[in-house]
Amino acid sequence: QQKVQQSPESLIVPEGGMASLNCTSSDRNVDYFWWYRQHSGKSPKMLMSIFSNGEKEEGRFTVHLNKASLHTSLHIRDSQPSDSALYLCAASHTGNYKYVFGAGTRLKVIA
Amino acid sequence: ETAVFQTPNYHVTQVGNEVSFNCKQTLGHDTMYWYKQDSKKLLKIMFSYNNKQLIVNETVPRRFSPQSSDKAHLNLRIKSVEPEDSAVYLCASSSGQGQYFGPGTRLTVL
Repeated sequence: QQKVQQSPESLIVPEGGMASLNCTSSDRNVDYFWWYRQHSGKSPKMLMSIFSNGEKEEGRFTVHLNKASLHTSLHIRDSQPSDSALYLCAASHTGNYKYVFGAGTRLKVIA
Repeated sequence: ETAVFQTPNYHVTQVGNEVSFNCKQTLGHDTMYWYKQDSKKLLKIMFSYNNKQLIVNETVPRRFSPQSSDKAHLNLRIKSVEPEDSAVYLCASSSGQGQYFGPGTRLTVL
């Protein structure tokens, strides 16, 4: 069964620092990765997605994808206390309606 | 407003009772999902419908049954709740470009 592994489980970074989160799929058919952010007491909200090898940047957030290793990473620069949340990675593949989620990385940004 | 709506927000019930949760999306998506998120925040897919057709049916106890009247609505019924059913049930919709989640229904089984 396909698994999505996320690391680290939890991460503490100082305000203004860089947070780096990792995600790997065990399914060779995966070709889409999604990153979601879930604040405490709220539902997950899509942050970014990536389908092609390489890098994609949106504001303070950068996502990398290495399709050969099925590894994606999310980097948050100039981290803010409001970035403190659970970050979920999901993987899917073309023609499959199923999104498989990892267990998440809990990020805490301390002032 | 276009979004995913869920009712109720919370539900507290006794073991053995039947509960129903509702979900509606106004995003025009063809696919809807039910997820269960436990106390450790693990998000597990339960069911998925595409244009009223069941397309994903994970291994869940038979007391869970989804119902879809049209592509904008997906409900979840639990026939006889058990204590392990206590969780947040999240509804989501998708057009194939990621998923949009509703606010969730928190179920507590006493």
